[in-house]
Amino acid sequence: EVQLLESGGGFVQPGGSLRLSCVASGFTFSNYAINWVRQAPGKGLEWVSAIGGGGFNTYYADSVKGRFTISRDNSKNTLYLQMNSLRAEDTAVYYCARGLEINYWGQGTLVTVSS
Amino acid sequence: QSVLTQPPSVSAAPGQKVTISCSGSSSNIGNNYVSWYQQVPGTAPKLLIYDNNKRPSGIPDRFSGSKSGTSATLGITGVQTGDEADYYCGTWDSGLSAGVFGGGTKLTVL
Repeated sequence: EVQLLESGGGFVQPGGSLRLSCVASGFTFSNYAINWVRQAPGKGLEWVSAIGGGGFNTYYADSVKGRFTISRDNSKNTLYLQMNSLRAEDTAVYYCARGLEINYWGQGTLVTVSS
Repeated sequence: QSVLTQPPSVSAAPGQKVTISCSGSSSNIGNNYVSWYQQVPGTAPKLLIYDNNKRPSGIPDRFSGSKSGTSATLGITGVQTGDEADYYCGTWDSGLSAGVFGGGTKLTVL
């Protein structure tokens, strides 16, 4: 069974940093691109970033480019999102999701950016 | 403003059919597969349709997908009260090198 489990969310002040993690199981992790998708309270889905299976190709939404860094450790079946210079508008539930054509989602982790 | 355009809401009586449209461009829907997701508030999205018109195992055949040019459509027949949820279309945008979603459509079962 495919499982994706996010962690690392929490409360942070504007300008602060957080690192999210997503541990995968039930499939060959290195064979798949993985995404981060977020959803602000009461809003729709927003794609944030993706990384290829080998970790060499990375993609970012304009809204996070230069502030967020996606990475992965295939030996640990783990995806990361390093988030710096956080803003109030980054407040959202962050999901990791498998595949460039997303077919599985984690349960999400809440990030709140507020003073 | 989402790259893909969906109607904010649709409604249907139980047993009726409803369709949800998703409009894009040649750089996204026109040249990439479209997926559809169902999200009950407070839960993670769930895949309903992939590769424009394929259903994952466990998804009833009441749900269907189609694509024509730069638009895609999700169809739900025999609407049930349990279908009340938000529905999103999604695909890859080759021009942006980014994933894109529609703004979401809230289905209300009357």
